[in-house]
Amino acid sequence: GEEVAQTPKHLVRGEGQKAKLYCAPIKGHSYVFWYQQVLKNEFKFLISFQNENVFDETGMPKERFSAKCLPNSPCSLEIQATKLEDSAVYFCASSQSWEGNIQYFGAGTRLSVL
Amino acid sequence: AQSVTQPDIHITVSEGASLELRCNYSYGATPYLFWYVQSPGQGLQLLLKYFSGDTLVQGIKGFEAEFKRSQSSFNLRKPSVHWSDAAEYFCAVEDEKLTFGTGTRLTIIP
Repeated sequence: GEEVAQTPKHLVRGEGQKAKLYCAPIKGHSYVFWYQQVLKNEFKFLISFQNENVFDETGMPKERFSAKCLPNSPCSLEIQATKLEDSAVYFCASSQSWEGNIQYFGAGTRLSVL
Repeated sequence: AQSVTQPDIHITVSEGASLELRCNYSYGATPYLFWYVQSPGQGLQLLLKYFSGDTLVQGIKGFEAEFKRSQSSFNLRKPSVHWSDAAEYFCAVEDEKLTFGTGTRLTIIP
């Protein structure tokens, strides 16, 4: 597709429940990035993929967060046992390359943990 | 590690007036710099980018930015703002991933 598609737009979970977010990158883009926006303004890098391979996972909380990009499937970000502080907007972006390339962002998934 | 500072949390400008949003970066080499805009409930839209070459870059919606290496700055400007420019503006530096500033909220008054 011509745009990064993120689903769902809004996800509500009780504390301790699992949350799974999806991202379909722009067709032809090899790199996918996940960012977390908390407190409305602060963006935190979580993880990036080159095709189905993890490229950089330095921002991922190790214990409860996981992500995948499998061939012919949307990428996913999963949070096991959500906590209140996981409430944020999660953005996915894709680009053709890993450096010096424009990252195109999806509209985000708002996760509300109650 | 790279970092980006946007000193102004909130700026209010009259419609038709000029605008300058400040951005300072910290990065060891020649940076790749970006300005994105976020409208309420929306994703990030790229306004412009600097990779190399001409230090004055033009973007969409009449925006421009100037890269000044000596000041480690990449300020965003627009000669005359429109009410539709009201949004949150983010400066970012790229080093395999984007590092964002904390944003500047722009309010336009009639």
